[in-house]
Amino acid sequence: DVKVTQSSRYLVKRTGEKVFLECVQDMDHENMFWYRQDPGLGLRLIYFSYDVKMKEKGDIPEGYSVSREKKERFSLILESASTNQTSMYLCASSNPGTVYEQYFGPGTRLTVT
Amino acid sequence: AQSVTQPDIHITVSEGASLELRCNYSYGATPYLFWYVQSPGQGLQLLLKYFSGDTLVQGIKGFEAEFKRSQSSFNLRKPSVHWSDAAEYFCAVGDAYSGAGSYQLTFGKGTKLSVIP
Repeated sequence: DVKVTQSSRYLVKRTGEKVFLECVQDMDHENMFWYRQDPGLGLRLIYFSYDVKMKEKGDIPEGYSVSREKKERFSLILESASTNQTSMYLCASSNPGTVYEQYFGPGTRLTVT
Repeated sequence: AQSVTQPDIHITVSEGASLELRCNYSYGATPYLFWYVQSPGQGLQLLLKYFSGDTLVQGIKGFEAEFKRSQSSFNLRKPSVHWSDAAEYFCAVGDAYSGAGSYQLTFGKGTKLSVIP
């Protein structure tokens, strides 16, 4: 089974802190994605990556950056956390060979106080 | 740009009753369509997908969905709901990101399903 793991299920940070959210997949997938999920808004794409060291902005990249140094790992970085970044963050991965079928991690619920 | 509308925010059904969750999409070409389910506190799990061919697709957990091009719809159905089906359901449409080999999904805002014993 494909497994996508996220470093933390729950995280509490203070305003202005630098926050790292880590995601690891074990199926050698080419593509990786970061979403945020908010009630009533569904899932919104923050960034995605289709290869090591490659990244593309999604629909809401402001306030975020990403890093993909290794194929299996995709990190989301909040340079200076703000309260409006309190949300559920979901990581996903997919392979071009299995078109569009994205596999999701369990999510990280981030609270910024 | 593509978009997905799930008109029902919250639906409550009795255990054993039938279920239909609505999904309408807007997309210029033949869409790739998906239904995902999210149990409380969990990530999303793929229920089923439509790429081409037979417009009635079968998925896991006894779910099925029917693609109707004329109505731009991809509704999810289940003949008899179980209490364990209580979850949030997301419809999504896929878009090929030209030139990069990557594929994005656009999600609807979700429908929360409650099941009465």
